[in-house]
Amino acid sequence: QVQLVQSGAEVKKSGASVKVSCKASGYTFRDYGISWVRQAPGQGLEWMGWINPYNGYTHFAQKFQGSVTMTTDRSTSTAYMDLRSLSSDDTAVYYCARDHLPLSGAPYYCDFWGQGTLVTVSS
Amino acid sequence: DIQMTQSPSSLSAAVGDTVTITCRASQGISNSLAWYQQKPGKVPKLLIYASSTLQSGVPSRFSGSGSGTDFTLTISTLQPEDVATYYCQKYNSALGLTFGGGTKVEIK
Repeated sequence: QVQLVQSGAEVKKSGASVKVSCKASGYTFRDYGISWVRQAPGQGLEWMGWINPYNGYTHFAQKFQGSVTMTTDRSTSTAYMDLRSLSSDDTAVYYCARDHLPLSGAPYYCDFWGQGTLVTVSS
Repeated sequence: DIQMTQSPSSLSAAVGDTVTITCRASQGISNSLAWYQQKPGKVPKLLIYASSTLQSGVPSRFSGSGSGTDFTLTISTLQPEDVATYYCQKYNSALGLTFGGGTKVEIK
């Protein structure tokens, strides 16, 4: 069965960076794009960006361009999201989620989600 | 950027009621709209995509409609397990994904 298992909770200081991992199993990793979505406490869902594991192509929300890096390691079927220059506004649960459709060249709606990683940023 | 506006932001309805949530796009998005359900403390779950296509395993009391800029999610015969926040999401290959602000559904 399809599973996305994310790395554990993180506590960071303002100005630091955080790297969250998302290990996929149960499907051909390179064939499905991965989106990263975050949710601040008590708030809604916010799409950050997307990566195509087949070719490494990325597409970011304008808000996150320049502050986030998304990569994949096809040898371990793992996606990574690296967020820099953290502030208290970045305190949130971060989710990875898989595209529903395979071999898409752009982000799509997501059918499988990781369990979420809580990132807490303190000053 | 295309903005997605949901209404209402919250609602309270009785078990057995029909509930309708609307989502409006600031520009036409054809039928490139999905709906998600997020129960308290849980991960979002895909309910509907392509405006009206029910994801496998989702109960038939959920339905979606709309095209262009105006979309609706309907829950017929509301059940206690439907208590959740519902999000619309547009997907547009050129502009990425955008979520609506969410609609919290409670039981009266």
